[in-house]
Amino acid sequence: AQSVTQLDSHVSVSEGTPVLLRCNYSSSYSPSLFWYVQHPNKGLQLLLKYTSAATLVKGINGFEAEFKKSETSFHLTKPSAHMSDAAEYFCVVSEAGGNKLVFGAGTILRVKS
Amino acid sequence: SQTIHQWPATLVQPVGSPLSLECTVEGTSNPNLYWYRQAAGRGLQLLFYSVGIGQISSEVPQNLSASRPQDRQFILSSKKLLLSDSGFYLCAWSFNRGNTEAFFGQGTRLTVV
Repeated sequence: AQSVTQLDSHVSVSEGTPVLLRCNYSSSYSPSLFWYVQHPNKGLQLLLKYTSAATLVKGINGFEAEFKKSETSFHLTKPSAHMSDAAEYFCVVSEAGGNKLVFGAGTILRVKS
Repeated sequence: SQTIHQWPATLVQPVGSPLSLECTVEGTSNPNLYWYRQAAGRGLQLLFYSVGIGQISSEVPQNLSASRPQDRQFILSSKKLLLSDSGFYLCAWSFNRGNTEAFFGQGTRLTVV
């Protein structure tokens, strides 16, 4: 079965510094992977997705992620954090057959001024 | 373009009362539909998903049920709410093809008192 592990439950960075949110996945086939962002009491917004094309995926708001099959990782990065990036981020893998998404436990990003 | 509507946004219900949360999708046909629950600090748990009218798959045994009376309508129900049913409920849809992202509604904050 597919699964994702988000390695940090909380990450704190200063405004203007880089962001790294780590995700490892487990899948018996070539997966599709996604990152979502959730602001408090809101729905989830898709940041970016990997679906077996380019391994470096660019998303909205300056975020990007790199699919590394050898490391089974899909870490999310951003060169310079903004206060508005403070939110919870979820790494997600699609299940075999693609009808269901499996979510990680989430990483809460705090951005300090 | 496609849109998803979920209501109500917040709900406070007494223990033992019934529940009905509704979700509708516009701008697409035959979508996959999902109900998730998000408890504090516990990520997203898939409750039900549906690939067509009348086709409901339940992921976890619980006090809730789901129905899909129309192609783009998904309803989450309970006959008698429990305190443990409190949480943030999210409806989502995806295209009916493999390995694709889901699009989320704004969520319903349910508090059972």
